[in-house]
Amino acid sequence: GAVVSQHPSWVICKSGTSVKIECRSLDFQATTMFWYRQFPKQSLMLMATSNEGSKATYEQGVEKDKFLINHASLTLSTLTVTSAHPEDSSFYICSALDRPLSGNTIYFGEGSWLTVV
Amino acid sequence: EDQVTQSPEALRLQEGESSSLNCSYTVSGLRGLFWYRQDPGKGPEFLFTLYSAGEEKEKERLKATLTKKESFLHITAPKPEDSATYLCAVQAWDDKIIFGKGTRLHILP
Repeated sequence: GAVVSQHPSWVICKSGTSVKIECRSLDFQATTMFWYRQFPKQSLMLMATSNEGSKATYEQGVEKDKFLINHASLTLSTLTVTSAHPEDSSFYICSALDRPLSGNTIYFGEGSWLTVV
Repeated sequence: EDQVTQSPEALRLQEGESSSLNCSYTVSGLRGLFWYRQDPGKGPEFLFTLYSAGEEKEKERLKATLTKKESFLHITAPKPEDSATYLCAVQAWDDKIIFGKGTRLHILP
């Protein structure tokens, strides 16, 4: 079963409003989570790295004031798209880094489809 | 510069026709190499993590191998349900994750 859960799976919002996407690690504590954006038939584009209890590290070209990331606990990170515009419509995916004693693995959420109308 | 290159970009195989996908990488210190399967409209599904050269892992019809420069994902006697995009990613010692662009695999019945 899924070890990283994303919610909502899909959301439609009006232009100018804000929308929040949640990413939860279900079976482990994740000090590090990642947020990606993916356009159809293209690869994952890393938006930011989220570390529990500290500010997220954004990739070049990603507006931190528009894409607010909060990682308030070891099992939850949120991405808020503020003042959404139609060009923000995309597939957003989170992942979480699991560091068991035997190594590490990155698990992905199911993704969230955002449509801004 | 850290980089991950996957080849081929796309691959069409007949059912039962075995093949390999390649993931070449350059990274400043490899912490781990990951393989994922992604179906359209879904998040990537974890397949394997490889940590050191010489390591191999298997799952059903898939086998992943790792050298100091590249990883292969071998698919033995594939079935149509194996059709998907296969993603490779490397994790550097600073935890930076670099993804390849993926290989779109299509298995014809």
